[in-house]
Amino acid sequence: AQSVTQPDIHITVSEGASLELRCNYSYGATPYLFWYVQSPGQGLQLLLKYFSGDTLVQGIKGFEAEFKRSQSSFNLRKPSVHWSDAAEYFCAVGATGTASKLTFGTGTRLQVTL
Amino acid sequence: DGGITQSPKYLFRKEGQNVTLSCEQNLNHDAMYWYRQDPGQGLRLIYYSQIVNDFQKGDIAEGYSVSREKKESFPLTVTSAQKNPTAFYLCASSRGTGTEAFFGQGTRLTVV
Repeated sequence: AQSVTQPDIHITVSEGASLELRCNYSYGATPYLFWYVQSPGQGLQLLLKYFSGDTLVQGIKGFEAEFKRSQSSFNLRKPSVHWSDAAEYFCAVGATGTASKLTFGTGTRLQVTL
Repeated sequence: DGGITQSPKYLFRKEGQNVTLSCEQNLNHDAMYWYRQDPGQGLRLIYYSQIVNDFQKGDIAEGYSVSREKKESFPLTVTSAQKNPTAFYLCASSRGTGTEAFFGQGTRLTVV
């Protein structure tokens, strides 16, 4: 069965600093991978997705993620964090052929200090 | 504007009562999903439907029921058999396999 691990429950960074959120997945074949962001009490917004091809994917709001098959990872990065990036971030994996039946990680809450 | 509408945003019910959460989409998506979100547990799949009049259980379907009579609508009923129904419920839809899911704004259900 597929699974996702986000090892960091809570991360605090200063505004302007770089950010990396970790995501490790378990899946037997090539997965479909996603990062979503959620503000308190709201739904989830898709930041970026990886289906195939270039392993470095660009998303909205200046985020990017790199798929590393050898490490079973799909870490999310941003060069310079803004205070408005404070939110909860979820990594998700979809099974090939049923990409939208997503399995989510437990999330990482990002706090940004000014 | 196209999107997914969940209603109501907040819902309170007494223990032992069934309650139905609404989810409507005008994106012409074939697939729809219900997730439950609890603090520290991520999102867990309750039910999903890939076509009208068909749906499958997800990972935590016990105590829940759904119907898919129309493409646009996928209501979720939380029954009295659900032992811990207080949670944040998220509905999502997608065009189908190989595409990402789009989410509604959620319904926070509190059972007292």
